[in-house]
Amino acid sequence: EADIYQTPRYLVIGTGKKITLECSQTMGHDKMYWYQQDPGMELHLIHYSYGVNSTEKGDLSSESTVSRIRTEHFPLTLESARPSHTSQYLCASSEYSYNEQFFGPGTRLTVL
Amino acid sequence: GIQVEQSPPDLILQEGANSTLRCNFSDSVNNLQWFHQNPWGQLINLFYIPSGTKQNGRLSATTVATERYSLLYISSSQTTDSGVYFCAATDSNYQLIWGAGTKLIIKP
Repeated sequence: EADIYQTPRYLVIGTGKKITLECSQTMGHDKMYWYQQDPGMELHLIHYSYGVNSTEKGDLSSESTVSRIRTEHFPLTLESARPSHTSQYLCASSEYSYNEQFFGPGTRLTVL
Repeated sequence: GIQVEQSPPDLILQEGANSTLRCNFSDSVNNLQWFHQNPWGQLINLFYIPSGTKQNGRLSATTVATERYSLLYISSSQTTDSGVYFCAATDSNYQLIWGAGTKLIIKP
């Protein structure tokens, strides 16, 4: 079954740690996205990719970075986590830019 | 850029009631999606509906693109319908612009 996966689902870490949030999809979609969301609030786009070796920054400024070496994989990295990074991070993919987006289960990050 | 507004912001209903959620957008859009976010944070696709009407069980949606609004209907509400309902519209740059959501609570 085609799907989109995120790991870990929950992460509690200390300030200054480097972390990587994983996102993989099995649908063969070219376009992938990372959103940041505070509980119950609207989503904010922080990164997106049109395909392999393509990465763009979204509307919300973020200290994170992303890479797209393989079509199915779009990891997000925080070099030095801070309490202000505490949030939920949602990964999504779509076949084309104007198509329906499908979301992973999210990673809830808490930085102490 | 376009703006997406949802109403009402909060809705509390008894189980079995019907409800209508509204999504207004300020300019022409390429498509519109409705999502349900459950208490665990998972976003579930409900409808991909740039125009017209679609139905899926107790849920249906109608988008009138020329009048720049979309409606989500929930009939015979169940407690599992609780959560936040988001609409999101794709703008001319093919980015999803999100509404602030409608928080729905269904009481048993």
